[in-house]
Amino acid sequence: AQSVTQPDIHITVSEGASLELRCNYSYGATPYLFWYVQSPGQGLQLLLKYFSGDTLVQGIKGFEAEFKRSQSSFNLRKPSVHWSDAAEYFCAVTSGSARQLTFGSGTQLTVLP
Amino acid sequence: GAVVSQHPSWVICKSGTSVKIECRSLDFQATTMFWYRQFPKQSLMLMATSNEGSKATYEQGVEKDKFLINHASLTLSTLTVTSAHPEDSSFYICSARGNPLEGQETQYFGPGTRLLVL
Repeated sequence: AQSVTQPDIHITVSEGASLELRCNYSYGATPYLFWYVQSPGQGLQLLLKYFSGDTLVQGIKGFEAEFKRSQSSFNLRKPSVHWSDAAEYFCAVTSGSARQLTFGSGTQLTVLP
Repeated sequence: GAVVSQHPSWVICKSGTSVKIECRSLDFQATTMFWYRQFPKQSLMLMATSNEGSKATYEQGVEKDKFLINHASLTLSTLTVTSAHPEDSSFYICSARGNPLEGQETQYFGPGTRLLVL
């Protein structure tokens, strides 16, 4: 069965510092990978996605992620975090014939002033 | 583009009543819509998958008679929580996706509906 692991439940960084959120997946075929962000009481906003091609993908709000097949990873990065980036981040992979999303457990990001 | 709306954004109801939540894709045709439930501090749990014009496919453990899903058009799906009880209180989120056969693999999410059953 497909699975997504986000090993960091909670990360705290200072504003202006760099950020890396980890994501590992288990999936037999070539995965379609996504990062979503959720602010409190809100739905999920798509940050970026990887289907094929260049393994370094750029997203909105200055985020990027790199697909590494050998490590089964799709880590999210941002060179300089802003206070408005504080939120919950979910990594996800599509699976099954219905292309259902399998989510990781999420990483809560706190940004210190 | 790719905007999904949900209505209502929050609802409070008495135990035993039914509540309907609407999910609309505003600027694209959603071949498939998904309904999720999210408990505080947890990830999203898929409840069901619905394709336009077809019966919904429910995940194991989700009562289809309690959570009625209708996907009558390519822009609208509804979730009705029948005879709601306090344990049904939760955050319900829908998502919509176009046709994967046309390369439309991305799910776009609505803002969610907070349900509180008293």
